[in-house]
Amino acid sequence: KNQVEQSPQSLIILEGKNCTLQCNYTVSPFSNLRWYKQDTGRGPVSLTIMTFSENTKSNGRYTATLDADTKQSSLHITASQLSDSASYICVVTGDSGYALNFGKGTSLLVTP
Amino acid sequence: EAGVTQFPSHSVIEKGQTVTLRCDPISGHDNLYWYRRVMGKEIKFLLHFVKESKQDESGMPNNRFLAERTGGTYSTLKVQPAELEDSGVYFCASSRLNRDGYTFGSGTRLTVV
Repeated sequence: KNQVEQSPQSLIILEGKNCTLQCNYTVSPFSNLRWYKQDTGRGPVSLTIMTFSENTKSNGRYTATLDADTKQSSLHITASQLSDSASYICVVTGDSGYALNFGKGTSLLVTP
Repeated sequence: EAGVTQFPSHSVIEKGQTVTLRCDPISGHDNLYWYRRVMGKEIKFLLHFVKESKQDESGMPNNRFLAERTGGTYSTLKVQPAELEDSGVYFCASSRLNRDGYTFGSGTRLTVV
């Protein structure tokens, strides 16, 4: 069973709207949690990284939250743009620090 | 700085053939990682190099896969002989320090027919 679960699997929203993507994990011990954006045919690109002590991190229109007690994270996208269409992947690193545990990703489509 | 470069971007080979994937990490990044994504599954860890040494290869699926990083610069991942289930996208990533931000390459899409 995967240690990182994401929801929804896919999402379609209108340009300009907000959306929130969810990530639940069971990786333990925990080192950090990252959100990546992966455009089609490209490698994942880091959006945010949070450690145990951080509960929110912003990067432009992207805001990630982390609740280490419940082992949940969310990625909120504000005022979506067509270029936000991509797969958003939640990645959790255990205490070893190097092996990344990936979720399957949420496929987001922003339509005009 | 140049990013992580992977070659080829796509490869289609027949079952039983050999394929070698190459990854050029960002210059100065001692840590190099191989990951792969098979259809419908999440990206999974294959192995981790620190310079030319294999730090962890626990994710390598079987002995048909051989990774090398001679000289601690670029790395190759050879699949011999390839099987149908090896099809997927193989990603390489590098980082300067362990636990540091990773930079991923665009991946090599391998199709075994």
